[in-house]
Amino acid sequence: EVQLVESGGGLVQPGGSLRLSCAASGFTFSSYEMNWVRQAPGKGLEWVSYISSSGSTIYYADSVKGRFTISRDNAKNSLYLQMNSLRAEDTAVYYCARDVKWGQGTLVTVSS
Amino acid sequence: DIQMTQSPSTLSASVGDRVTITCRASQSISSWLAWYQQKPGKAPKLLIYKASSLESGVPSRFSGSGSGTEFTLTISSLQPDDFATYYCQQYNSPEWTFGQGTKVEIK
Repeated sequence: EVQLVESGGGLVQPGGSLRLSCAASGFTFSSYEMNWVRQAPGKGLEWVSYISSSGSTIYYADSVKGRFTISRDNAKNSLYLQMNSLRAEDTAVYYCARDVKWGQGTLVTVSS
Repeated sequence: DIQMTQSPSTLSASVGDRVTITCRASQSISSWLAWYQQKPGKAPKLLIYKASSLESGVPSRFSGSGSGTEFTLTISSLQPDDFATYYCQQYNSPEWTFGQGTKVEIK
């Protein structure tokens, strides 16, 4: 069974940094493209970033480009999202996703 | 970017009603479309993938159809547990996009 478990969320001040992790199991992680998706409180779903199976191809939403960095460690079956220069509008639940399989999410709150 | 236009944004219906939600893509996405159900405070739950494939464990009253740019999610007989928000998602391109959501409310 595919399992994706996010961690690393929390409260951070504007301008601060946070690193999210996603532990994958139940499938051959190194064979799959991975994504981060987020949902601000009371809002819809927003794709954040994509990384290819090897890590060689990466895309970002315009809203996070230059501030967020996606990465993966195929030896550890893990996906990461380094978030820098955080803003109030980055407050959201962040989901790790493999095509249509998603984790349960981790909440990031950016507030002073 | 591929734009996804979902309609209606809100739908009022009664238990037992047949409900249809539509999602339109700005360009062809073949059958790379998924439908999710979301309840407050919960992660989205996958209902349909590849436009018409029912996810394991999802009741058969849910069905999906379409290809190219026009897609529909149908609930054949609305049940009390189905009152929720529904989203479509295209995964044809690496830069996923989502519909705006349809809130299904009790009439």
